[in-house]
Formats: sequence, structure tokens, C-alpha cells
Amino acid sequence: DAGVIQSPRHEVTEMGQEVTLRCKPISGHNSLFWYRQTMMRGLELLIYFNNNVPIDDSGMPEDRFSAKMPNASFSTLKIQPSEPRDSAVYFCASSSGTGDMLYGYTFGSGTRLTVV
Amino acid sequence: KNEVEQSPQNLTAQEGEFITINCSYSVGISALHWLQQHPGGGIVSLFMLSSGKKKHGRLIATINIQEKHSSLHITASHPRDSAVYICAVGVNNDMRFGAGTRLTVKP
Repeated sequence: DAGVIQSPRHEVTEMGQEVTLRCKPISGHNSLFWYRQTMMRGLELLIYFNNNVPIDDSGMPEDRFSAKMPNASFSTLKIQPSEPRDSAVYFCASSSGTGDMLYGYTFGSGTRLTVV
Repeated sequence: KNEVEQSPQNLTAQEGEFITINCSYSVGISALHWLQQHPGGGIVSLFMLSSGKKKHGRLIATINIQEKHSSLHITASHPRDSAVYICAVGVNNDMRFGAGTRLTVKP
């Protein structure tokens, strides 16, 4: 298995532009997570899907952020409009299990987003 | 006060030393994870624990649910163990993270 695949690896965009981050989870995993990592706040959970359904999006910072999981093999995290303070590394992770009992918990390589 | 506290924040060791990283949490959990973030940024899940102890190679993780404390031990440390180690706890459908411990192992 190729692991959790994220794209792009790096994204530089201008303030106000729409940004879409993509994630392909490991086949057979039924839970998918989006995280944001910054120096100031560390690693934060943004949203968690189980069986393609958003279970907890309380970590999504504001309405400019949205996430979708149209099927079991693909998810997107969209920021519209982007702002410089959104600059961070965004990780996607997948696992089997539910809630906090996560098996085979695997992270993607991350997308480094820079908004100028 | 953070719900997940790790210590130490930074740790420098000589190759071969035994290393311990600690994690304390203040919330009720079902499971605790230890993650390793490499200097290149990639994150690997090392352990998921709900009780007792787990071992994988030179890594040992223990958890005491009553005391709300977990430790990650590395035996015979090696420079390739240099990374940030992050403790994370599962609370309902949420994950709470410690700030991480930056480990540097010198040859």
C-alpha cells in the first residue's frame, strides 16, 4: 500500500485565493482526519470523518474552511479565501476503528501551505 | 493548563543512552498514542495504548490509566532516533496533542 497520499506537497498562494488540499486514505480505512500544524499551536485536529461522514468539525477554525469526503478514497480541505495566518503544514491521516480507538493510524506526508 | 503535558520539551542524549519521555493528561481517555515526527516533517504512529505496556524493537511505551500518565522509552538510543515525539490522547471523537519532545541523539 502506498500509504496516505496528500497533494500537493507544497502550495504557495496569494492572500484571497482559494486553496484545495487533497488526501487519499489507505484503502480499507474508514476514518479520516485533517490536522493543521503550526509552530505556535502545534498539531490541531480540524475535522474527522467516519465512513465518509463528518463526525466532528469543531476544530475547523472558521467558515473559510470546509472539508468534504465524497467517497471512501478521497477527501478535500478547502480554504476560501485564504489568509496569511492559514500558513501551516496540513496533515491528513487515516485509520480503521472509530472515535479514539484507532488502528493502523497513518499520516500522510503533509502539505506545506504558504499564503503570501 | 494544557490537557496533555509532555516532558521534557527538549532532550539531548549520547548514542546508546536510555531515554524516557513522559506524558501526563488531565482528561478521561480511551486510548493514548505516541507519534514520531521526523526532521523532514513526516509523522509516524508508534503506539496506541489503552492499558499496560507495548514494545516494538527498542521502543517501549507504558501507560497508567489511574495516574493518567504514559512514558515512552528508547533503549540503546541511536542518532536516527532524533525526532520530535508527540503524545496524543483520544477523547470521544477528538484528539488532543502534547507540544512534543524534541530528542537529539548525538553520536
